[in-house]
Amino acid sequence: EVQLVESGGDLIQPGGSLRLSCAASGFTVSSSYMHWVRQAPGKGLEWVSAFYFGGTTYYADSVKGRFTISTDSSKDTLYLQMNSLRVEDTAMYYCVRALTGSSVFHYWGQGSLVTVSS
Amino acid sequence: DIQMTQSPSSLSASVGDRVTITCRASQSISTHLNWYQQKPGKAPKLLISSASSLQSGVPSRFSGSGSGTDFTLTINSPQPEDCATYYCQQFISTPTFGQGTKLEI
Repeated sequence: EVQLVESGGDLIQPGGSLRLSCAASGFTVSSSYMHWVRQAPGKGLEWVSAFYFGGTTYYADSVKGRFTISTDSSKDTLYLQMNSLRVEDTAMYYCVRALTGSSVFHYWGQGSLVTVSS
Repeated sequence: DIQMTQSPSSLSASVGDRVTITCRASQSISTHLNWYQQKPGKAPKLLISSASSLQSGVPSRFSGSGSGTDFTLTINSPQPEDCATYYCQQFISTPTFGQGTKLEI
């Protein structure tokens, strides 16, 4: 059974850094197509970043240069390193698995809440 | 980025009605369109992929259609458990979502 469990969300001041983790089970993260999708409180969904089998990474313009997606194959874990955080980065961050290189989001974690506020 | 526009933003229906939610893309996306259901406090769930492919386990009262720029999610005889917000999403390029449609039964 595929499971995705996010952790690492917290209250952080603007300009700070945070790393989200997504522990996967039922499949191998490093040979999959993994994404982060976020949702600001009371708002819609926004794609953030992707890590593709083979190591190619993609980022939304809103986070490019500040966020880094990566995996640890020994732990079957996906990460999102978030630097220079802004108030507008406040959101629930979902770890998502697509079954192919197309961005069809088949499996979702329960989310990890990041709040950026002074 | 391709803009996705859903209508209506919210609607109320009764059991036995037929519910239609529309999604329009700012440019042609062929059938690269997915629909998700999100219940309060929960993660989204994939209902339909590639405009019309119903995911395993999704009730047959849900259906999707369309191609190019105009798409429709239809719920025949919605049930109380269908109360949720529905999102469309294109995946022909950098993925983008519609703003959501909140359905009350």
